[in-house]
Amino acid sequence: EAGVVQSPRYKIIEKKQPVAFWCNPISGHNTLYWYLQNLGQGPELLIRYENEEAVDDSQLPKDRFSAERLKGVDSTLKIQPAELGDSAVYLCASSLVRDSGLFFGEGSRLTVL
Amino acid sequence: AQSVTQPDIHITVSEGASLELRCNYSYGATPYLFWYVQSPGQGLQLLLKYFSGDTLVQGIKGFEAEFKRSQSSFNLRKPSVHWSDAAEYFCAVGRKSGNEKLTFGTGTRLTIIP
Repeated sequence: EAGVVQSPRYKIIEKKQPVAFWCNPISGHNTLYWYLQNLGQGPELLIRYENEEAVDDSQLPKDRFSAERLKGVDSTLKIQPAELGDSAVYLCASSLVRDSGLFFGEGSRLTVL
Repeated sequence: AQSVTQPDIHITVSEGASLELRCNYSYGATPYLFWYVQSPGQGLQLLLKYFSGDTLVQGIKGFEAEFKRSQSSFNLRKPSVHWSDAAEYFCAVGRKSGNEKLTFGTGTRLTIIP
């Protein structure tokens, strides 16, 4: 069974440029998460989807961040414009049902110059 | 609000020695508890989880953890570490109502020396 797939793995951009990250969850997993992991820190939730619906986006900086999960499968996280402080790893995770735990992708490492 | 404290930022252990990584949580109800491991440049892999029942849970790679409600702790243990166990370990707490927000600790970096 394929795991959570994320792309790109690495992205280097200049500040004020846009960037987008893509996530393909494990097949059949209805819940999808985007987490932010700063260097030396644990992951912090940005947004959680149940199928197509964003059920928790309270930690998503909506002035520059946006996300979508069309058709309840793949998801895209966008930052526009990027700032220096956005340099971090963006992790996608998915889960099937409660009690199963989250399954993480390898992450997308963003460097903003 | 839920929170997780991992008091040890970095631990160094000799190969073959035993290991215990500490985790304390703060939560107003019965929590779901998790341990994840992250190798450099990789995502997080679930080691084990506690939802209910037996307070000693077994996980992958020979790890186990014990839930102690009285101490609000969920420490991770391994009787004999291998060089491949060198990684970052994260404890996380979630709400018992299901797939909701997990709150992670800041992690403990484990170094294995020969």
